[in-house]
Amino acid sequence: AQTVTQSQPEMSVQEAETVTLSCTYDTSESDYYLFWYKQPPSRQMILVIRQEAYKQQNATENRFSVNFQKAAKSFSLKISDSQLGDAAMYFCAYRRYNAGNMLTFGGGTRLMVKP
Amino acid sequence: DAGVTQSPTHLIKTRGQHVTLRCSPISGHKSVSWYQQVLGQGPQFIFQYYEKEERGRGNFPDRFSARQFPNYSSELNVNALLLGDSALYLCASSFPGRNTEAFFGQGTRLTVV
Repeated sequence: AQTVTQSQPEMSVQEAETVTLSCTYDTSESDYYLFWYKQPPSRQMILVIRQEAYKQQNATENRFSVNFQKAAKSFSLKISDSQLGDAAMYFCAYRRYNAGNMLTFGGGTRLMVKP
Repeated sequence: DAGVTQSPTHLIKTRGQHVTLRCSPISGHKSVSWYQQVLGQGPQFIFQYYEKEERGRGNFPDRFSARQFPNYSSELNVNALLLGDSALYLCASSFPGRNTEAFFGQGTRLTVV
């Protein structure tokens, strides 16, 4: 069974600074997807960024980028120029290659942004 | 365009009762999944339905059941409620296929007293 671990229950960052959230996972599959989701107090999960395991290039979406280390099974999220609106719970998630929307989530990291 | 809609947004039930939660996917999405998110934890997968058939089931007791209707909406049913069933229940929908993204609703907050 796949597992996803987020070792940082809480992180804090100063507005405009950069923060990195950590995620490790365990799988025996070679093809899969990895995701970072944001969950603000409104409760709705919002996709931040995704990475296909077969792609060596790290994904980037504006201020958000990932560091994907397949051999180490590590998938960290870097948020640059942090904004107050980035404050939320962040979840790392794993999905097998052909598994529809069956996701395995980590326990989450609460990100606080200080003005 | 309407996103994934779930109803009700909140409800309170008594131990031993039954509850039905509803989900309407984004138009054109044929796959629906349900997740349970206990306070302070990440969501846990319960069911996936595609074309009205169960395509995946997580590690949940038989008290949990679901179904998908011809219009691709879905219901999650929980029988004999326990205090531990108190959680946020999330529904996600997606197009079929490998390279697809799951879109989530805002969830139903269930409190069992």
